Amino acid sequence: EPEVTQTPSHQVTQMGQEVILRCVPISNHLYFYWYRQILGQKVEFLVSFYNNEISEKSEIFDDQFSVERPDGSNFTLKIRSTKLEDSAMYFCASEEYGSDEQYFGPGTRLTVT
Amino acid sequence: GENVEQHPSTLSVQEGDSAVIKCTYSDSASNYFPWYKQELGKRPQLIIDIRSNVGEKKDQRIAVTLNKTAKHFSLHITETQPEDSAVYFCAATGDYKLSFGAGTTVTVRA
Repeated sequence: EPEVTQTPSHQVTQMGQEVILRCVPISNHLYFYWYRQILGQKVEFLVSFYNNEISEKSEIFDDQFSVERPDGSNFTLKIRSTKLEDSAMYFCASEEYGSDEQYFGPGTRLTVT
Repeated sequence: GENVEQHPSTLSVQEGDSAVIKCTYSDSASNYFPWYKQELGKRPQLIIDIRSNVGEKKDQRIAVTLNKTAKHFSLHITETQPEDSAVYFCAATGDYKLSFGAGTTVTVRA
């Protein structure tokens, strides 16, 4: 069964550094999402992406964040200048057109020191 | 925006007993309500969902109910087994982005 994959599984970075989190959505899916979960808190929506553009973003998704689909398979989340409070588990999800069902990747644990 | 509340935060049940998790939502425009199971260190897995035009849905030992008037929905697990131990999240959406509950840690005692 196809699954969403994410790399790396764990990323440690220093405050102020740029990080890129990578996701490979399920191949026939057209909607892509990033969520994050700070330890002990709810899963929070960051951004949705469809037809090569952002369709919605939350207030968390400020100018330090960007997303890109650089080729036909990858979907990336970039944080330009990481802050301590960006430490969280970041989940990518994808959805087939018209289904509502979002399938999650295994997550990337980002630790900012 | 949508606000989803989930109760209880932890639930311990004897193997074979039933487990019930309840969620409420705030946005009457929400029309899709999935439930995810997350085992330790693994991805959230979609286990069942319900849409607003349906009041109840069942899949083997799990069932979901939805009360649109009261804006609440519930997950029912019957004949619990040790492999049901996990964190369960409810979610709601009317516009693609999922709003999650805080999660329920279910422990099934052998």
